Amino acid sequence: DADVTQTPRNRITKTGKRIMLECSQTKGHDRMYWYRQDPGLGLRLIYYSFDVKDINKGEISDGYSVSRQAQAKFSLSLESAIPNQTALYFCATSEQGDGNTIYFGEGSWLTVV
Amino acid sequence: LAKTTQPISMDSYEGQEVNITCSHNNIATNDYITWYQQFPSQGPRFIIQGYKTKVTNEVASLFIPADRKSSTLSLPRVSLSDTAVYYCLVVPDKLIFGTGTRLQVFP
Repeated sequence: DADVTQTPRNRITKTGKRIMLECSQTKGHDRMYWYRQDPGLGLRLIYYSFDVKDINKGEISDGYSVSRQAQAKFSLSLESAIPNQTALYFCATSEQGDGNTIYFGEGSWLTVV
Repeated sequence: LAKTTQPISMDSYEGQEVNITCSHNNIATNDYITWYQQFPSQGPRFIIQGYKTKVTNEVASLFIPADRKSSTLSLPRVSLSDTAVYYCLVVPDKLIFGTGTRLQVFP
């Protein structure tokens, strides 16, 4: 079983719809992250959370929101999806402290039509 | 924030050694240099991390000069399966991956 699980793995949604991507981890890590990757490009940080009560914006937070429901759960929401949010989304985790390895989930493909 | 710069792409042949250099001129005293590998449609995975001098593991070596303003990831005797994107990160930072270096290994 994967240590970082994302659901759904694939989703097609319509413009203007609300969509939530969920992430859960069994590694016991305090830190969780959401990244976005567009085809052929690098990863961009959307939001990150260093513990349950901590939420921080990343490089490209506009149009997104997050919720840290528990240490193991971090969800990403698109309140009103638009086509240019079509991308591969990754959830990731790491231990508390600096310089620790980041562990990624398998990714969630989101297509907004 | 420490910004990293690395080549967009590199080509190599099987069996060759590949060196990918990353520059991080504004690295801070408490920053580590970390490299990740990403295959298509998969999340990046950790390769190696170092603070200074040289670090070696079963996959790669990482060379960091004394001024720490750059680092070089060395992949010995690459194979086709090493075709991937390689990211250099400076941590702690805002966990910015950037565009990485796309390595293509040919037979």
